[in-house]
Amino acid sequence: GEEVAQTPKHLVRGEGQKAKLYCAPIKGHSYVFWYQQVLKNEFKFLISFQNENVFDETGMPKERFSAKCLPNSPCSLEIQATKLEDSAVYFCASSQIPGSGKLQINQPQHFGDGTRLSIL
Amino acid sequence: AQTVTQSQPEMSVQEAETVTLSCTYDTSESNYYLFWYKQPPSRQMILVIRQEAYKQQNATENRFSVNFQKAAKSFSLKISDSQLGDTAMYFCAFIAGSPGGSEKLVFGKGMKLTVNP
Repeated sequence: GEEVAQTPKHLVRGEGQKAKLYCAPIKGHSYVFWYQQVLKNEFKFLISFQNENVFDETGMPKERFSAKCLPNSPCSLEIQATKLEDSAVYFCASSQIPGSGKLQINQPQHFGDGTRLSIL
Repeated sequence: AQTVTQSQPEMSVQEAETVTLSCTYDTSESNYYLFWYKQPPSRQMILVIRQEAYKQQNATENRFSVNFQKAAKSFSLKISDSQLGDTAMYFCAFIAGSPGGSEKLVFGKGMKLTVNP
């Protein structure tokens, strides 16, 4: 597709439950990024993929967060045993990589509309 | 580590006026990219303008222009002829351009701009 598609738009879970968010990048885009925007509007980088391979996972809370990008499937971000502080908007972004494998300025990250996760 | 600072949490301006949003950053990278993103109440992230650090010429996109001062590590956004639809959160962001770099966006904390009729 021509847009980054994130589902669901809003997800409500009780504390301790599992939450799973999905992202379909723009067709032809090789990079996928996940960001967390907390209530104070601050963005935190979580993880990025180059195709199905993890590229940078330095922002991921290792204990409860996991993510995948499998061929021919939407990417997913899963949170086990959710906590109240996981309440946030989770954005997915994708970008195109030229043949050199280097991000180019004329190929910026395109964002989805986000998934609002509410933990009660 | 790279940091992006937006020191003004909130600003307001009258319609048709000009407003400047400030942003400073800190990095040891020699090549990098800077961006301004707009986030209206709908929470969409919209790319407003971008600048390559190696380019001395300031980027311009219609009513939006930047003042890029590399030595001062400053990247301010000027909005001319402000419109009601410019009301939004504005985020300054940075990507390091070094080979093998993460490519992740590092964001400032954002600034809420309100355009009044």
